[in-house]
Amino acid sequence: AQSVTQLGSHVSVSEGALVLLRCNYSSSVPPYLFWYVQYPNQGLQLLLKYTTGATLVKGINGFEAEFKKSETSFHLTKPSAHMSDAAEYFCAVRGGSNYKLTFGKGTLLTVNP
Amino acid sequence: NAGVTQTPKFQVLKTGQSMTLQCAQDMNHEYMSWYRQDPGMGLRLIHYSVGAGITDQGEVPNGYNVSRSTTEDFPLRLLSAAPSQTSVYFCASSGTSLAESSSYNEQFFGPGTRLTVL
Repeated sequence: AQSVTQLGSHVSVSEGALVLLRCNYSSSVPPYLFWYVQYPNQGLQLLLKYTTGATLVKGINGFEAEFKKSETSFHLTKPSAHMSDAAEYFCAVRGGSNYKLTFGKGTLLTVNP
Repeated sequence: NAGVTQTPKFQVLKTGQSMTLQCAQDMNHEYMSWYRQDPGMGLRLIHYSVGAGITDQGEVPNGYNVSRSTTEDFPLRLLSAAPSQTSVYFCASSGTSLAESSSYNEQFFGPGTRLTVL
């Protein structure tokens, strides 16, 4: 069984500030971890993913995430928020050879000018 | 490549009506799935398929049927629509390679179908 908890359904930051979106997971097997972004009225787009290897993963649009096994976390960060980052972000976990993705409930990011 | 396509984009049904949401992909992906998205609930898996002729239930399968006669298509059928099925529906596909660096690990999503049941 696998599950994802995203802390904070809504995060608000100022333009230029650090973005930190939190994700904790549980998985009975070594996980594959993903962050997806959804802009209004659109589908989901992959930001970044962790499978194995380097625990710091860089994605598109300046985002990165660090896999911390001891903390069962995969938090998403960006050093400086831009207005165009306003969207909903979903963390997801996949348990190895099990192709099913389990999603968190999402975090809505708003960026204030 | 068109990627994952879904039709229709919008649909309004009356309670008790039936309909089929279409999903197609042109990436030769073995794995396909249907999710529903509701506010504050994230995406919940309805049904999935690991190849033609193979389907299985996800987290919320009641009221929905699927079939997979070809690799490309994975339609979702609502047998008797209910207001509780008002939602946004997403289809997704991925390859089934277990190579760790393979892009097949990524699920590609369609643009969604917004369904309202009155």
